[in-house]
Amino acid sequence: KAGVTQTPRYLIKTRGQQVTLSCSPISGHRSVSWYQQTPGQGLQFLFEYFSETQRNKGNFPGRFSGRQFSNSRSEMNVSTLELGDSALYLCASSLDPSGRAHGENEQFFGPGTRLTVL
Amino acid sequence: GENVEQHPSTLSVQEGDSAVIKCTYSDSASNYFPWYKQELGKRPQLIIDIRSNVGEKKDQRMAVTLNKTAKHFSLHITETQPEDSAVYFCAASIPLYGGATNKLIFGTGTLLAVQP
Repeated sequence: KAGVTQTPRYLIKTRGQQVTLSCSPISGHRSVSWYQQTPGQGLQFLFEYFSETQRNKGNFPGRFSGRQFSNSRSEMNVSTLELGDSALYLCASSLDPSGRAHGENEQFFGPGTRLTVL
Repeated sequence: GENVEQHPSTLSVQEGDSAVIKCTYSDSASNYFPWYKQELGKRPQLIIDIRSNVGEKKDQRMAVTLNKTAKHFSLHITETQPEDSAVYFCAASIPLYGGATNKLIFGTGTLLAVQP
């Protein structure tokens, strides 16, 4: 089975621009979560999508948004980029099988998109 | 608030020694505790996990323990090898009351260096 893929792998943008990142989950996985990884803040939860609906959201400003398509692929968008948005953006997919207690689902990470804001 | 503390931030051991990384979580409703290994320039990879109904789990050279009362969980790596060198992250799943979620709160990471 192919793993989680993310495109693009690297992006360079300037302040004020907007960016869209894409994540393709493992086949059959319906849950996609997004995380921001920075040296100073570590791995921080952005949001989670399941069946095309945002199921949970972290403490990020409204400039960060996302969506999920019917094939479970997900995109995240960052508008009005700031220097502090420079980070590695990771998505993770999960099978989310029925019967398993909520929150106990293994997440598999993609390789990430390295965003640099100049 | 939701928080996971992880110690130590760096750990250097000799090959063959054991390594222990400790985490503390704040949300008593957390029910799933995965550990991820991230090598330089690579994605985090799940190495072992434990669910809240279990106190200990072993997988080859790795073991995790969970103390729900104290809200502590730990990773033990025995007989360390140079290829174990990486950053290790603990995490706690934060259930959403009345609903399902896969939200993970991560610790700040431990850089493990295994000296040959």
